[in-house]
Amino acid sequence: KNEVEQSPQNLTAQEGEFITINCSYSVGISALHWLQQHPGGGIVSLFMLSSGKKKHGRLIATINIQEKHSSLHITASHPRDSAVYICAVSGEYGGSQGNLIFGKGTKLSVKP
Amino acid sequence: NAGVTQTPKFQVLKTGQSMTLQCAQDMNHNSMYWYRQDPGMGLRLIYYSASEGTTDKGEVPDGYNVSRLKKQNFLLGLESAAPSQTSVYFCASSPNRLTRTDTQYFGPGTRLTVL
Repeated sequence: KNEVEQSPQNLTAQEGEFITINCSYSVGISALHWLQQHPGGGIVSLFMLSSGKKKHGRLIATINIQEKHSSLHITASHPRDSAVYICAVSGEYGGSQGNLIFGKGTKLSVKP
Repeated sequence: NAGVTQTPKFQVLKTGQSMTLQCAQDMNHNSMYWYRQDPGMGLRLIYYSASEGTTDKGEVPDGYNVSRLKKQNFLLGLESAAPSQTSVYFCASSPNRLTRTDTQYFGPGTRLTVL
């Protein structure tokens, strides 16, 4: 079983829809990261969180440490949000030696 | 600031050839990483360097070597390329080994094909 699981693997939405991508993990973590990989291949960090909720523009990330679960929400989705969204965790207390463990990604396509 | 840069962007090799992928960062970060990304799989760590002059193996180090002689540069070498090394390679850096406050910054990637 992968240590970081994302769902769904693929997601197609209509412009304007509210989108949720889920991430579950099975290891103790110091932080959880959400990354965005553009169609051209570049990867950028969207959020890093260890508790609660963070918001940036139309993107909201939440984490429940007790349930080992995080969600990434996109409000009022737009075709430019089309990308692969990757969840990654950094282990606690030397677990994974401070390196990131990645999920396989969720490919989002937003249709106009 | 250019951030993290990688050269080359694309490369085609024949089986058995050698090459070096170059990564540079101008953010004065201590830690640097090399990943590979294959279809249907998450990013996998090949090697990392916590600080200048130190390197450690990641999840998939076989067939690769690395060097971190300067703080700003992290080189990934393929001594004898194999078709299984066809992949997209990403370099990344972070201020220090990941903590609750550090994030990683990624380069644009190198698409490598081994025939």
